[in-house]
Amino acid sequence: QSVLTQPPSASGTPGQRVTISCSGSSSNIGRNTVNWYQQLPGTAPKLLIYGNDQRPSGVPDRFSGSKSGTSASLAISGLQSEDEADYSCAAWDDSLNGPVFGGGTKLTVL
Amino acid sequence: QEQLVQSGAEVKKPGASVKVSCKASGYTFTNYDINWVRQAPGQGLEWMGWMNPNSGNTGYAQKFQGRITFTRNTSINTAYMEVSSLRSEDTAVYYCAREKFELGAAIVRWFDPWGQGTLVTVAS
Repeated sequence: QSVLTQPPSASGTPGQRVTISCSGSSSNIGRNTVNWYQQLPGTAPKLLIYGNDQRPSGVPDRFSGSKSGTSASLAISGLQSEDEADYSCAAWDDSLNGPVFGGGTKLTVL
Repeated sequence: QEQLVQSGAEVKKPGASVKVSCKASGYTFTNYDINWVRQAPGQGLEWMGWMNPNSGNTGYAQKFQGRITFTRNTSINTAYMEVSSLRSEDTAVYYCAREKFELGAAIVRWFDPWGQGTLVTVAS
């Protein structure tokens, strides 16, 4: 059972905008920043968003992140077939003194 | 480019130990903590702990205390994770990841890059 809660699946058609939610608590998202990782099938996680809404160089601006209270969201606009992957949120947890992750959301591009 | 390369897949029997390596290149190994994260089949990511390659200091998630050990060899820019008393529930892909952070109004921490992962299978 993951500490952060994400929907297990999401889907959209090419060109659409989709959002993935991530719910936590006051000890993690409520006090600390959120990161998002993309995991293409059979590969390692790759940093997508850090510090709630910062994109590392090389990440398209179609990807954006936001945070409000104890929840965060990842938005993907102009959906493309290569966006089909698992997306996981993460945040530092002050109670556990370490990062916690969501269970991951499998995004399907129809 | 900055990267972490891990050792290959392992198959172990229950009760055995396994040691996974993580070799860093493209950056100064001793400047950043290495974290270990695992992912059981069909499950989410689970943080295991961290190691400072410069000092050798370590921190372990409570769940793994007493059963995992992080070490390093700075002469070859390599970090190691050893898990003892393996059980079937330890079957997972194990990742190493470099931790970066920024100090501002809040501490911003993230993992980048990640190693390619090492599958450890525990089966009799």
